Amino acid sequence: EADIYQTPRYLVIGTGKKITLECSQTMGHDKMYWYQQDPGMELHLIHYSYGVNSTEKGDLSSESTVSRIRTEHFPLTLESARPSHTSQYLCASSASTGAETQYFGPGTRLLVL
Amino acid sequence: KQEVTQIPAALSVPEGENLVLNCSFTDSAIYNLQWFRQDPGKGLTSLLLIQSSQREQTSGRLNASLDKSSGRSTLYIAASQPGDSATYLCAVPTAGSQGNLIFGKGTKLSVKP
Repeated sequence: EADIYQTPRYLVIGTGKKITLECSQTMGHDKMYWYQQDPGMELHLIHYSYGVNSTEKGDLSSESTVSRIRTEHFPLTLESARPSHTSQYLCASSASTGAETQYFGPGTRLLVL
Repeated sequence: KQEVTQIPAALSVPEGENLVLNCSFTDSAIYNLQWFRQDPGKGLTSLLLIQSSQREQTSGRLNASLDKSSGRSTLYIAASQPGDSATYLCAVPTAGSQGNLIFGKGTKLSVKP
């Protein structure tokens, strides 16, 4: 079944640790996105990719980095986690045939102590 | 810069009522507008996508309208049910982009049995 997956769903980690949030989709979509959402606030785009080896920063500045080595995989990495990184991170994908709807993963809730 | 506003921020209604959620955007040069649903602690589910050339879209008990010239969209939910309780988000692509989305803060809907 075509879907988009995120792991872990929840992560509690100490300051200074390196973390990678995984996102994979089985829909063959070229476009993938990472959004950050604080509780009760709107989603903000932090990274996007229009295909393999393509990555761009989004509207909201983020200390995280992303890579797109395979079409189906779009991991997000924080080299040194800080409490200010505590948030929900949502991954999404869409087809590249125009203004297509975006499909979202279940999200990763990150808490940095 | 595109801004998306949703009114009201929260809404509580008894089961069976028809209701309208509002979304406004400042830049009318959009390719489309999407409505999403977000359940607590989960990702987003796409409900309806209206292309800029369309005036409305329907899916079951949901009907979304789009008035580009006035920068407004409404989501009409007929015969509301407790299962409709969620946060409803509208989003439009950023200027010059067909994929990157700008979201409103959402309307949190509670339907009481």
